[in-house]
Amino acid sequence: KAGVTQTPRYLIKTRGQQVTLSCSPISGHRSVSWYQQTPGQGLQFLFEYFSETQRNKGNFPGRFSGRQFSNSRSEMNVSTLELGDSALYLCASNGGRDTQYFGPGTRLTVL
Amino acid sequence: GESVGLHLPTLSVQEGDNSIINCAYSNSASDYFIWYKQESGKGPQFIIDIRSNMDKRQGQRVTVLLNKTVKHLSLQIAATQPGDSAVYFCAENKANYGGSQGNLIFGKGTKLSVKP
Repeated sequence: KAGVTQTPRYLIKTRGQQVTLSCSPISGHRSVSWYQQTPGQGLQFLFEYFSETQRNKGNFPGRFSGRQFSNSRSEMNVSTLELGDSALYLCASNGGRDTQYFGPGTRLTVL
Repeated sequence: GESVGLHLPTLSVQEGDNSIINCAYSNSASDYFIWYKQESGKGPQFIIDIRSNMDKRQGQRVTVLLNKTVKHLSLQIAATQPGDSAVYFCAENKANYGGSQGNLIFGKGTKLSVKP
């Protein structure tokens, strides 16, 4: 069974731009969660999608948004990028048994 | 201001020794706990989990201990190998049997270094 895939793996943007990251969960998994990992704050929950609906949201500004498609693939978008948005963005797939399986992440650098 | 990096606790062990990594969790309502291993440049990898109705669970070379009284979790790695070198995170959640609760709360992590 293929694992969680995230694209792109690396991204460089400038302040003010927007970015879209993609995640494909493990086949058959309907829940996708997104996390931000930085050296300063560690791993922080962004949001969770289940069956195309946002089910849970972390404490991030509205510039961070996401969506999920009918095939369970998910995208997250960050608008008006700030330097502090530089981070590793991780997607986790959940098949309904509580355990979350992570992808390799997308490394976003904002210049 | 400039963010300060997390000061990760570091554990350095000799190859072949046993390692114990500790974690204090925050929410007394959490009833599902997971240990993840994260190697440089990779996403967190599931190691072992435990539910709050248990106080010990064993896997291959790993054991997780849960003490709900003091909200403490530990991961024991037997016969530590160089490939075990990584950052280890504990995570807590409110289990949602049959469904999914997507917001894991992660600890700050411990960096394990294994000396050959």
